[in-house]
Amino acid sequence: GAGVSQSPSNKVTEKGKDVELRCDPISGHTALYWYRQSLGQGLEFLIYFQGNSAPDKSGLPSDRFSAERTGGSVSTLTIQRTQQEDSAVYLCASSAIAGAGETQYFGPGTRLLVL
Amino acid sequence: DAKTTQPPSMDCAEGRAANLPCNHSTISGNEYVYWYRQIHSQGPQYIIHGLKNNETNEMASLIITEDRKSSTLIPPHATLRDTAVYYCIVRVAYTNAGKSTFGDGTTLTVKP
Repeated sequence: GAGVSQSPSNKVTEKGKDVELRCDPISGHTALYWYRQSLGQGLEFLIYFQGNSAPDKSGLPSDRFSAERTGGSVSTLTIQRTQQEDSAVYLCASSAIAGAGETQYFGPGTRLLVL
Repeated sequence: DAKTTQPPSMDCAEGRAANLPCNHSTISGNEYVYWYRQIHSQGPQYIIHGLKNNETNEMASLIITEDRKSSTLIPPHATLRDTAVYYCIVRVAYTNAGKSTFGDGTTLTVKP
């Protein structure tokens, strides 16, 4: 595919359950970013990967949140013991190192609802 | 990344050029100005970016003041489909340490 893809597009879960959100970046993009957007709010940075390493985890809101990236491509954001305040749209973006000035291209997001 | 300030909302008549302002008075010399938009229920979409020269592409024109403390995004001939939240951000490019700090943006409503 030409763009960033995310799955699932929608997820409804019960409070206390774990969820996994997946991001497939644009092929060849080495940088990958996760953001969260609560209803009516701007984007909140969560974590950033360069290759498989995460030099910046400063935005993860708690230790219930973790992310990994394998093979320099697909990334998974895991939320353990979900809480109602975790309900939001989780957006993934990727960027190449050079060329267009590290422009980020976003996926459509995963809408998470915690009941 | 430098902080940006944008008006919370603007209206534009269909067919007219919208002028979306952004202040970034604390921008550093190596920070670029990026514009994205987010149409309801979709992920953000890249529009344009620039350093100090004015830029134009198929989506919009970007006018950056000489002191780089503010910029204006001009989507020409607005259509109803251009109704969206427009985000102005500044960030360092050509590094691997970039992360975008998105503010609340400007909600542009294009009216018939």
